[in-house]
Amino acid sequence: KQEVTQIPAALSVPEGENLVLNCSFTDSAIYNLQWFRQDPGKGLTSLLLIQSSQREQTSGRLNASLDKSSGRSTLYIAASQPGDSATYLCAVSRGNNNDMRFGAGTRLTVKP
Amino acid sequence: NAGVTQTPKFQVLKTGQSMTLQCAQDMNHEYMSWYRQDPGMGLRLIHYSVGAGITDQGEVPNGYNVSRSTTEDFPLRLLSAAPSQTSVYFCASSSGHFSGANVLTFGAGSRLTVL
Repeated sequence: KQEVTQIPAALSVPEGENLVLNCSFTDSAIYNLQWFRQDPGKGLTSLLLIQSSQREQTSGRLNASLDKSSGRSTLYIAASQPGDSATYLCAVSRGNNNDMRFGAGTRLTVKP
Repeated sequence: NAGVTQTPKFQVLKTGQSMTLQCAQDMNHEYMSWYRQDPGMGLRLIHYSVGAGITDQGEVPNGYNVSRSTTEDFPLRLLSAAPSQTSVYFCASSSGHFSGANVLTFGAGSRLTVL
């Protein structure tokens, strides 16, 4: 059974710092990996999707990498801002939305 | 454009009571699903539907019922609430069920407490 782990569970950094969030998964037979953002009292919003054949995806200050063979992904946030404060979740899929497996998330706080 | 709308946002139930969480989407999405989110755990799939009249079980279906009579609506029914069903419930939809091309749109969640 696929297990997805995100460490640390919580992270607090000063504004302007570059940071890395980690995601690991036990079964490397994935089709894609997504990073989501969740704000308090809100649903999840997809940030980046990496296909298994890709190594990384970038969107603005966000860069996600994928090492399928080692079962790891990282989300790099450059020049963090207080508005980046949220919980970040990763999810892996074998191809269908109904087989998606989520990590528990990392709660990020960026202090002004 | 409302997206995915969930009601109610908050609900308190007593053990043994039944209730229905409502989910509606206005994007003509074929795929709809229900998740529960518990502290320290990732979202877990309860039930999903790939189109009107078609539903299937996810990872944690016990104690929950769904139906999909229209494309827009996908209600989740708790038949006899138990304290273990205290959780935050999310409805999500997408234009198709292939995860590589059909990103999920989530509702804001419904927080349920069972006493």
